[in-house]
Amino acid sequence: QQQVKQSPQSLIVQKGGISIINCAYENTAFDYFPWYQQFPGKGPALLIAIRPDVSEKKEGRFTISFNKSAKQFSLHIMDSQPGDSATYFCAAIHTGRRALTFGSGTRLQVQP
Amino acid sequence: GAGVSQSPRYKVTKRGQDVALRCDPISGHVSLYWYRQALGQGPEFLTYFNYEAQQDKSGLPNDRFSAERPEGSISTLTIQRTEQRDSAMYRCASSAGTAGNTIYFGEGSWLTVV
Repeated sequence: QQQVKQSPQSLIVQKGGISIINCAYENTAFDYFPWYQQFPGKGPALLIAIRPDVSEKKEGRFTISFNKSAKQFSLHIMDSQPGDSATYFCAAIHTGRRALTFGSGTRLQVQP
Repeated sequence: GAGVSQSPRYKVTKRGQDVALRCDPISGHVSLYWYRQALGQGPEFLTYFNYEAQQDKSGLPNDRFSAERPEGSISTLTIQRTEQRDSAMYRCASSAGTAGNTIYFGEGSWLTVV
């Protein structure tokens, strides 16, 4: 059972544009929602994370929007740059259990 | 070390052979995790340790898979009698605290079973 569904599978954005990646979860016990960025040949690296008691978190050009009632959250990358080209994974965790559940990933390509 | 170190980076083995994958976590990190990542997919949880104690092994696919961390530092993931379906990237990760949510992933061990 896929507990975190991620879309789109791939995304092409022009430099300076906004990249939007969406995730939906099923398990209401999840209480922490991180996003990971992965470059080819590298391991996933934590980008930004949010807890369900807030609806939005912003760090630089990266923003997470969280809708608890809809069980959805999204990553927005403002002013997208070619260096942002990578695979992005949403994830969710129930901190009592400690195991991250990942989405299937979105391959982002930012064209110059 | 500076990051999570895994070895070997690439391993090709014949079906039926046993393989051992090694993980050296970030120095001082208490928690250590093993994940498996198939091509084009997100990492899938296998097991994790706090210090030397294996806290959760619910993600291990079957009894051919085992992991240990005998001294609370380096960990070994062992796959016995490998099968082609075991081919994947195996990623180790570590975190500083037992309750921390920021985990740091290694570059992985790519296993191919032929």
